[in-house]
Amino acid sequence: EDKVVQSPLSLVVHEGDTVTLNCSYEVTNFRSLLWYKQEKKAPTFLFMLTSSGIEKKSGRLSSILDKKELFSILNITATQTGDSAIYLCAVPTGTASKLTFGTGTRLQVTL
Amino acid sequence: DTAVSQTPKYLVTQMGNDKSIKCEQNLGHDTMYWYKQDSKKFLKIMFSYNNKELIINETVPNRFSPKSPDKAHLNLHINSLELGDSAVYFCASSQLISVEQFFGPGTRLTVL
Repeated sequence: EDKVVQSPLSLVVHEGDTVTLNCSYEVTNFRSLLWYKQEKKAPTFLFMLTSSGIEKKSGRLSSILDKKELFSILNITATQTGDSAIYLCAVPTGTASKLTFGTGTRLQVTL
Repeated sequence: DTAVSQTPKYLVTQMGNDKSIKCEQNLGHDTMYWYKQDSKKFLKIMFSYNNKELIINETVPNRFSPKSPDKAHLNLHINSLELGDSAVYFCASSQLISVEQFFGPGTRLTVL
């Protein structure tokens, strides 16, 4: 059975800290891994990773994939209160772009 | 312009009732999805349609029936609502060849 596991489940940090969120997966026919951020409403797309070792970066957020060890990390540097959200990792499984999501990591950034 | 929209945003209803949630996307995507997010925030796919044709049907009670009148719309009808149906339901869309999915704002369903 395809599986996507995220850790930690929740995290509280102070503004300015750097955080690393983890996503490991076990899927057949791996194609890509996606990161989403969910604040109060809809998940919004952050990154899609397909190749090992190539970092994707957007401002203070970056992500990298390790296809040999079957995991990805999402780094957030100099965290701000606006980074508080649930971060979801997802992997397409089966056919037809079905996304299997991890349980998410709830990040809270305090002043 | 809203890319993926859902109505209503909130729905409170009694057990046993029948209700519908509507979804529309103006992105020109071929594929639309319904997801259920439970109280623990776990997001799980329910259905997917490509060009009005059902392509994913997860293990969902047959009280849930999706309907796609055209490729820009995917509605979800739920019969005989139960307490366990309380959740946030998200609609999403994508181009079939792209896995990046765009999500609607969600519909919070509360069954009393």
